[in-house]
Amino acid sequence: GAGVSQSPSNKVTEKGKDVELRCDPISGHTALYWYRQSLGQGLEFLIYFQGNSAPDKSGLPSDRFSAERTGGSVSTLTIQRTQQEDSAVYLCASSTQGANGYTFGSGTRLTVV
Amino acid sequence: GENVEQHPSTLSVQEGDSAVIKCTYSDSASNYFPWYKQELGKRPQLIIDIRSNVGEKKDQRIAVTLNKTAKHFSLHITETQPEDSAVYFCAASGSYQLTFGKGTKLSVIP
Repeated sequence: GAGVSQSPSNKVTEKGKDVELRCDPISGHTALYWYRQSLGQGLEFLIYFQGNSAPDKSGLPSDRFSAERTGGSVSTLTIQRTQQEDSAVYLCASSTQGANGYTFGSGTRLTVV
Repeated sequence: GENVEQHPSTLSVQEGDSAVIKCTYSDSASNYFPWYKQELGKRPQLIIDIRSNVGEKKDQRIAVTLNKTAKHFSLHITETQPEDSAVYFCAASGSYQLTFGKGTKLSVIP
């Protein structure tokens, strides 16, 4: 596609429910990243994919967070048993050359009530 | 791992004045330093970047300087306009991942 697509754009969920966030990167971009942006905070790294592999999962805050990528394309970030502190904007980025030339999606705003 | 500090957190300038945002990084192996602009409710967008073999780079009204010895880099915006109002993020990378500063909210007062 022309850009990085994320869905849904907004998600309101009840505490304790599971949510899935989707990222569709730019075609041909082998690197894919998930970041979290809390109100007034910077961009917190969550996970990095190269192809379908995740060589760096070090940013995932707890074992309630997981992510996968299939076909070297679409990625899904899953948060189980959501908590209020999970409320944030979740941003996905993709690139052809690692850290150089990230293109971000518009993000998913997650609100846990 | 890398740690990026960014100052100030907020900055207000009069239209037409200059704005400067400063960042420091911790990992001497970092060699790529981009700046992103995020308007309210929108995605971060790359506005300028610099690599470690260059000390300064300009693109119209924006410029970035890098001091590798001191491990700091700065964004300079001249002749600010209201549409420059946004949150600006600096970042640093030595390999595959960007580490971001916490952002500077720039307000340009008409």
